[in-house]
Amino acid sequence: AQTVTQSQPEMSVQEAETVTLSCTYDTSESDYYLFWYKQPPSRQMILVIRQEAYKQQNATENRFSVNFQKAAKSFSLKISDSQLGDAAMYFCAYRSFSAGGTSYGKLTFGQGTILTVHP
Amino acid sequence: NAGVTQTPKFQVLKTGQSMTLQCAQDMNHEYMSWYRQDPGMGLRLIHYSVGAGITDQGEVPNGYNVSRSTTEDFPLRLLSAAPSQTSVYFCASSSDSISGANVLTFGAGSRLTVL
Repeated sequence: AQTVTQSQPEMSVQEAETVTLSCTYDTSESDYYLFWYKQPPSRQMILVIRQEAYKQQNATENRFSVNFQKAAKSFSLKISDSQLGDAAMYFCAYRSFSAGGTSYGKLTFGQGTILTVHP
Repeated sequence: NAGVTQTPKFQVLKTGQSMTLQCAQDMNHEYMSWYRQDPGMGLRLIHYSVGAGITDQGEVPNGYNVSRSTTEDFPLRLLSAAPSQTSVYFCASSSDSISGANVLTFGAGSRLTVL
């Protein structure tokens, strides 16, 4: 079974600064997907970014980028130019690759990291 | 589009009571799943479904039942509520379409307290 570990229960950053959230995972599979989800106080789960393991290029979505190190099984999230609206719980998640779709909807989540943004 | 709709948003139960958390999606997604969120543990998969009439257990299925009679609906039933089932519950759906592949759409969550 796969496991996902977020070793930082809480992080803080000054507005406009950069912060990196860590995530490591354990798997014996070679093909898989990784995700970062954001959960603001509203409780809604929002996809931030995703990475396919077969792609060597790190995914980027505006101010959000990842550092995907497949050999080290590491998947960190960098938030640049932090904004007050970035304050939330962030979850790292793993999904197996399945050509038949049997793993769709089955994610393994980390424990979460609470990000505080100071004005 | 409403996306994924969960009801109720809040519920308080007494130990031993039963209830059903409703989940409906209007995106014609094949895949639906239920997660529970507990402090320090992230989200854990309870049950999931790959289509109408097909369900399977996730990581923490004990005490919960599901059924999928239609593509749109995926209710979660608590048969005899226990304090350990106090949690926030999320329903999610996804599709294997190229544009939406691998991305879960979550409902707003349901906070359940069992006394």
